[in-house]
Amino acid sequence: DQQVKQNSPSLSVQEGRISILNCDYTNSMFDYFLWYKKYPAEGPTFLISISSIKDKNEDGRFTVFLNKSAKHLSLHIVPSQPGDSAVYFCAATSGSRLTFGEGTQLTVNP
Amino acid sequence: EAEVAQSPRYKITEKSQAVAFWCDPISGHATLYWYRQILGQGPELLVQFQDESVVDDSQLPKDRFSAERLKGVDSTLKIQPAELGDSAMYLCASSFGKDRKAFFGQGTRLTVV
Repeated sequence: DQQVKQNSPSLSVQEGRISILNCDYTNSMFDYFLWYKKYPAEGPTFLISISSIKDKNEDGRFTVFLNKSAKHLSLHIVPSQPGDSAVYFCAATSGSRLTFGEGTQLTVNP
Repeated sequence: EAEVAQSPRYKITEKSQAVAFWCDPISGHATLYWYRQILGQGPELLVQFQDESVVDDSQLPKDRFSAERLKGVDSTLKIQPAELGDSAMYLCASSFGKDRKAFFGQGTRLTVV
């Protein structure tokens, strides 16, 4: 039972353009959502989060949008940079346990 | 900046052998997690501690895996005996109080041969 799904295994964008990574969830009890970035052979690094009482949270080039009715969240990166190339995981929680999606490999081409 | 420390970074072991991983969370973080990540998949929770108590080990294969956090600080995850399917990245994370952001260590890459 995959409660958090990232349906796109990979995404390729040009430097300077917008990257949009998507995530869907099924558990309506989730009330806090996070995005992590992971480079090979390293642990995930926290990027940005959003509470279910909000629909948008912004931090520099990163913005997370939450659509509770659709059980969907997305991460926007503007402008995309080559250093953003990594695997991005969305995660959700209803307490303290994080449930992760499968990840999306983002490649930003110079 | 405080970090979650894990060792070793890499471990190669033969199947049926015992292997252990160590984690030292960020100071003051009462919640400690062990996750396993298989290549191409997201991290999967193995066990969660609140101080020295286990609060969730529902996904831990208890016939071969064990975890402890005796003094509520650092933690050890053990596999005995290791199987080929245990090859994965083992990630430790910690979080503070009601802040639900978990901070991860660099992980231990286990290869069972």
